[in-house]
Amino acid sequence: DQQVKQNSPSLSVQEGRISILNCDYTNSMFDYFLWYKKYPAEGPTFLISISSIKDKNEDGRFTVFLNKSAKHLSLHIVPSQPGDSAVYFCAASGIGTGGSEKLVFGKGTKLTVNP
Amino acid sequence: NAGVTQTPKFRILKIGQSMTLQCTQDMNHNYMYWYRQDPGMGLKLIYYSVGAGITDKGEVPNGYNVSRSTTEDFPLRLELAAPSQTSVYFCASLGTGGNQPQHFGDGTRLSIL
Repeated sequence: DQQVKQNSPSLSVQEGRISILNCDYTNSMFDYFLWYKKYPAEGPTFLISISSIKDKNEDGRFTVFLNKSAKHLSLHIVPSQPGDSAVYFCAASGIGTGGSEKLVFGKGTKLTVNP
Repeated sequence: NAGVTQTPKFRILKIGQSMTLQCTQDMNHNYMYWYRQDPGMGLKLIYYSVGAGITDKGEVPNGYNVSRSTTEDFPLRLELAAPSQTSVYFCASLGTGGNQPQHFGDGTRLSIL
């Protein structure tokens, strides 16, 4: 049973517009959430994270929002650039993963930013 | 600073062969992990280690073995390769300190024919 779900396999947006990537989780014991970006033939690269004590974290063009009551988080990219085209993975950690800082990943969303 | 280094990048094996995927990190991280990623799927944890001499199973450990004799190295062993083990394998490391991201290598693409 998937504990971290990314229900949109793909997303296409125009350059300069906002990209919104969504992620839902089922385990209320997760307390740390991360977004990774992955280009083909490379490993995942950490993008941004948020602790469960916050509801928003911002880093430049990237903002992550956390809604604990809905068990939902989203990644906003504004403005989107062609170089943002990649697969984005949502991941969760905490007591819900059994400790040892293990991560549970969603299946990923492939973002395409069109020039 | 190389971070997490995985070798080889690509490998083709025949069914029943064995091999070791190498992973080394130069960040003095205590935690290390092995994941596999199948097409259209997220990363699934195979094995992990919280320090030298300590390893434990993840979500999908069958068919694999690991060892952690040093802080830097965390090799993954496939003893009897099976087609179901065709995948991309990623190694990751993490320092201590709470709420830190794992750092990933660039992966090993393994095909078993």
